[in-house]
Amino acid sequence: EVKLAESGGGLVQPGRSLKLSCAASGFSFSDYWMGWVRQAPGKGLEWIGEINQDSSTINYIPSLKDKFTISRDNAQNTLYLQMSKLGSEDTAIYYCARTTDYYYYFDYWGQGVMVTVSS
Amino acid sequence: DTVLTQSPALAVSPGERVTISCRASESVSTAMHWYQQRPGQQPKLLIFGVSNLESGVPARFSGSGSGTDFTLTIDPVEADDTATYFCQQTWNDPYTFGAGTKLELK
Repeated sequence: EVKLAESGGGLVQPGRSLKLSCAASGFSFSDYWMGWVRQAPGKGLEWIGEINQDSSTINYIPSLKDKFTISRDNAQNTLYLQMSKLGSEDTAIYYCARTTDYYYYFDYWGQGVMVTVSS
Repeated sequence: DTVLTQSPALAVSPGERVTISCRASESVSTAMHWYQQRPGQQPKLLIFGVSNLESGVPARFSGSGSGTDFTLTIDPVEADDTATYFCQQTWNDPYTFGAGTKLELK
């Protein structure tokens, strides 16, 4: 069974940094692209970015490219999202998701982790 | 960026047929996908590549369309289908989602 479990969320002050993790199990992690999506409270979904199997290709939504960094550790079956210079607009549930390499849609999603940016 | 426009909400009775539309601001070829998000849950893939049903998803769900106009159909609707439905395009960078259509059952 494919499982994705995000962690590392919580309350963070404006301007600070936070690193989220996503532990993957039930599939061969190193064979798949992975991605991050976020959802502000009561709002829709926003695609953040994706990373390929060997980390040689990482794509971001342009508005977050200078703030967020996606990485992965295939030995640990873990995906990461490093977030910096956080503002209130970054308050959201953050989901990691497995990406297919056919059309790059998300076929499995984690439960999500809440990040609240507030003083 | 490619903007995907969805109607905000629909209300239907169980047993009826419902169509949820998604219009793209530019062509997305066949890279259109649909997700269901029940309250308090993560999104779940329903349809990929316009019309391909994800494994395990009931055949009551179907997708159609091409170019810029796409449709998700649920026939017949069941009470369990109460959710928000999002379309997503993965043809143009950056990938984008529609704002979602909230489906309520009467």
